[in-house]
Amino acid sequence: TQLLEQSPQFLSIQEGENLTVYCNSSSVFSSLQWYRQEPGEGPVLLVTVVTGGEVKKLKRLTFQFGDARKDSSLHITAAQPGDTGLYLCAGEVTGGGNKLTFGTGTQLKVEL
Amino acid sequence: ETGVTQTPRHLVMGMTNKKSLKCEQHLGHNAMYWYKQSAKKPLELMFVYNFKEQTENNSVPSRFSPECPNSSHLFLHLHTLQPEDSALYLCASSPPGRGATGELFFGEGSRLTVL
Repeated sequence: TQLLEQSPQFLSIQEGENLTVYCNSSSVFSSLQWYRQEPGEGPVLLVTVVTGGEVKKLKRLTFQFGDARKDSSLHITAAQPGDTGLYLCAGEVTGGGNKLTFGTGTQLKVEL
Repeated sequence: ETGVTQTPRHLVMGMTNKKSLKCEQHLGHNAMYWYKQSAKKPLELMFVYNFKEQTENNSVPSRFSPECPNSSHLFLHLHTLQPEDSALYLCASSPPGRGATGELFFGEGSRLTVL
């Protein structure tokens, strides 16, 4: 079973701060997705990255796929309370039959 | 509103009860999934259905029995569960031709507590 480790596991910051969440594995992924899950809800897709070294931006969120396609990072600029939630990365292993392996998650809390 | 509806949202059952979770998607997707989300553990894939046919059973105990009568509906029948089965059960669907860039659309989940 491929394991996707996310760090940090928990993060509590003040509004306006910047933060980075990491997703690491020893496996190579054909694509990697980031989801956000708010309390009482299911995960919602934020972005998919497919090319090594790819960078995608979604407003204040910047996603990067590692050159070797084994890791990814999510950077949030000027965090807001609305960013609070569980951030999950999920990788699709090459030749893995289109199955997603989910990471361990990063619980983010942004306070006023 | 993601287009994937799960009922009930909360369920409490004894170890000898039989209950079912229901999932319905209004997105025209052909694939449906059951995931288990437990505290401090990654999302665990349980079952996958493509065009009503089960294509994945991720070594799930037989006390969990899925049913997919059509591409829009998915059930998870529960029988003789254990307290460690308490978790959030998430249903998801994905569009036709889902490949490397496909996405999962999740329901809000059914929070199950086994006493």
